[in-house]
Amino acid sequence: QSALTQPASVSGSPGQSITISCTGTSSDVGSYNLVSWYQQHPGKAPKLMIYEVSKRPSGVSNRFSGSKSGNTASLTISGLQAEDEADYYCCSYAGSSTFRFGGGTKLTVL
Amino acid sequence: QVQLVESGGGLVKPGGSLRLSCAASGFTFSDYYMSWIRQAPGKGLEWVSYISSSSSYTNYADSVKGRFTISRDNAKNSLYLQMNSLRAEDTAVYYCASARKLPEFDYWGQGTLVTVSS
Repeated sequence: QSALTQPASVSGSPGQSITISCTGTSSDVGSYNLVSWYQQHPGKAPKLMIYEVSKRPSGVSNRFSGSKSGNTASLTISGLQAEDEADYYCCSYAGSSTFRFGGGTKLTVL
Repeated sequence: QVQLVESGGGLVKPGGSLRLSCAASGFTFSDYYMSWIRQAPGKGLEWVSYISSSSSYTNYADSVKGRFTISRDNAKNSLYLQMNSLRAEDTAVYYCASARKLPEFDYWGQGTLVTVSS
């Protein structure tokens, strides 16, 4: 059960847009529209940002959006703000009632 | 408001046991799936186990199957994780998390640290 693949780090300037990829296989990301994304600030618990590939929970800014193509899901953050600097994790259903997280991506706002 | 509060973490020797608890409040606990998710120091998140709302279904990551047991008491709004045969690689912060539908982990506790070391 290896982790989904995410870039270790991404960066962008305030106001810019960035995209974080999450690559799995045809057994997880590619087979199910059950991908979620989490934001985690240092020393804090993760926060749900996107579920079912592209849906936003109530209270999450519409600057956050999700998509999927084939075995790769993506999280896009537009209009980058300083408070977006955090670690981001994807998670996918992997079949047989199991779940797989990505390795995490550290977002730096320059 | 929604609160999930984990407890029971600590230092344990390899081969030892520990029981984690998670006290829930502010939502209808019995309507939610519950999961344990862990994070080794400086590492990413790893799903550990889940239990359905009525305890009918459970499952575990391969890394803990046969050693960990998840359970819940809806009357007490509490989730548990019995951890046996602990290994150094089980060292992590353990979070409990709720989900109306998996894998939408919508509420998380602050975590409890488990350290397995001699």
